[in-house]
Amino acid sequence: DAKTTQPPSMDCAEGRAANLPCNHSTISGNEYVYWYRQIHSQGPQYIIHGLKNNETNEMASLIITEDRKSSTLILPHATLRDTAVYYCIVRVARQETSGSRLTFGEGTQLTVNP
Amino acid sequence: NAGVMQNPRHLVRRRGQEARLRCSPMKGHSHVYWYRQLPEEGLKFMVYLQKENIIDESGMPKERFSAEFPKEGPSILRIQQVVRGDSAAYFCASSPLPQGQGASPLHFGNGTRLTVT
Repeated sequence: DAKTTQPPSMDCAEGRAANLPCNHSTISGNEYVYWYRQIHSQGPQYIIHGLKNNETNEMASLIITEDRKSSTLILPHATLRDTAVYYCIVRVARQETSGSRLTFGEGTQLTVNP
Repeated sequence: NAGVMQNPRHLVRRRGQEARLRCSPMKGHSHVYWYRQLPEEGLKFMVYLQKENIIDESGMPKERFSAEFPKEGPSILRIQQVVRGDSAAYFCASSPLPQGQGASPLHFGNGTRLTVT
């Protein structure tokens, strides 16, 4: 699975958009970009994933650059409850021996301030 | 539409006792993954199971730890003769049977916090 690089921490004002970057310059053509977050003391929560095209759901938007070497997770109107560690993970859809297994890095600690 | 259910939420064991952690995957999911998160550390993969089969146990400690996912009932992570270093949060995740080559996100439970005294 391709390695990802994320800033260790970011701050955002409540009500503003939070833009979380992720670099994955060694990504392969068949690897997806997944985003998860972990709010303190809870299990990781799936946010969104994409392959090539930008994606949007009720939680967030995912913008993937044309060369696919980086992506940005956008929380359009951050709230205090969005304070969490955000993980960007790159991997193929599924492998016979590892299924949909994910490898978590250090992630970005996003703090939303009032 | 219940999510991944883990129980108990908190478990306290004395050194040398056994710990059993249970995980019921989401309805329709036949793949289960266990992860461990030590205090102030990241999530580490332990084992991947399908019904009645262990597919990948590359992250499991070689001794004292075992996992199963029987045909009926929840997946069980079993830790024998617990030591203080086993104190951690243990998370279970599930995914459905893959449809074609599409991505199947993992869905996580809220974990079992094991404390060994």
